Amino acid sequence: NAGVMQNPRHLVRRRGQEARLRCSPMKGHSHVYWYRQLPEEGLKFMVYLQKENIIDESGMPKERFSAEFPKEGPSILRIQQVVRGDSAAYFCASSQTRDIGNTIYFGEGSWLTVV
Amino acid sequence: SQQGEEDPQALSIQEGENATMNCSYKTSINNLQWYRQNSGRGLVHLILIRSNEREKHSGRLRVTLDTSKKSSSLLITASRAADTASYFCAPLSGGSYIPTFGRGTSLIVHP
Repeated sequence: NAGVMQNPRHLVRRRGQEARLRCSPMKGHSHVYWYRQLPEEGLKFMVYLQKENIIDESGMPKERFSAEFPKEGPSILRIQQVVRGDSAAYFCASSQTRDIGNTIYFGEGSWLTVV
Repeated sequence: SQQGEEDPQALSIQEGENATMNCSYKTSINNLQWYRQNSGRGLVHLILIRSNEREKHSGRLRVTLDTSKKSSSLLITASRAADTASYFCAPLSGGSYIPTFGRGTSLIVHP
């Protein structure tokens, strides 16, 4: 999974603050996926983006969460007014295509702790 | 999209033994993928098996697929301490191209 860069790796926020998580996909990849992993659970899909477009946001909470993947720069997952329940590991993945069966490559995750 | 259900939830073995973990799913698939996650790390893609394949090998990994039973198994032969990780399956069906994951199997290999 080398190549998908996420930062920060660890982030601490107080309740009510904003959290911004960044993801730079692998070189040549234009498809980005965000997942959230709560303690002792599997990864839950949140959103799938291509450059400048949100393709599938069926896993995104309706409020406070947003994602973008601009023409230039990394993809951003933004969480406004964080609450304790937002504490989790957030993983970004990227792929070259959206073909069925194509391999997606994961980053090392960003661990958000809300205090 | 559907997620697979891995079984057992936890598996503890000695180095050198084989480890077998299973995945069940509900609806017909195009392919099924297995991933590994080391503690505190991202997922790593291990192997993909297509619906028209019954078995696939990659190094010490052997994956089988039984579409009639809607199940797959991942066998790690001659396990090593470094195989300690969580293993997840991701069945992909219909037009779905986004892997979704269950709770996984937590494998501990004791040296």
